[in-house]
Amino acid sequence: GPKVLQIPSHQIIDMGQMVTLNCDPVSNHLYFYWYKQILGQQMEFLVNFYNGKVMEKSKLFKDQFSVERPDGSYFTLKIQPTALEDSAVYFCASSLGSANTEVFFGKGTRLTVV
Amino acid sequence: QQQVRQSSQSLTVWEGETAILNCSYENSAFDYFPWYQQFPGEGPALLIAIRSVSDKKEDGRFTIFFNKREKNLSLHIKDSQPGDSATYFCAANPASSGSWQLIFGSGTQLTVMP
Repeated sequence: GPKVLQIPSHQIIDMGQMVTLNCDPVSNHLYFYWYKQILGQQMEFLVNFYNGKVMEKSKLFKDQFSVERPDGSYFTLKIQPTALEDSAVYFCASSLGSANTEVFFGKGTRLTVV
Repeated sequence: QQQVRQSSQSLTVWEGETAILNCSYENSAFDYFPWYQQFPGEGPALLIAIRSVSDKKEDGRFTIFFNKREKNLSLHIKDSQPGDSATYFCAANPASSGSWQLIFGSGTQLTVMP
């Protein structure tokens, strides 16, 4: 089936540094999402992106977070600066239509901030 | 406060039995309920979904029973197979409100013993 690819699968970064998580969404999809999952807890919505704009974000999407998809390439999540509490698995997702159509998830990037 | 609650962290059944995974929710505005299946090292994949106008949705061995009045739903997996062993997430979305986010439960880890 359609695949969402996330690169890298695991990243370790020093606290205070910048990190960019990359996502290659399903090719014809129009809506893009990031979710955060802390170990042992549920996945939580961070942000939705459509037509070059953030459509909705949660309170977890701090000012240090930003998303973009320059020129239709990777959909990225940038965290600058990182904090210890940013350690989690970040899942990228995409869908063809709105949220009540099938949302496809990547395998996640495990971010460890030390 | 969890808006989507899965009462069991784990469930073990024997091969051939029906596994029943329960989910409840708080927000009456939720009207779309997907169940996601996740294997270790993979991203969540949509298994089956139901809208609040229905009380039952069936797809092969998988059936969702939905009780709008009680605000709960359950996923029944008939004739469980060892290959069904995975973590199952109940999710909800207030689609008609225009929100994009999926609200996830914390997941039920299903083990099917051969």
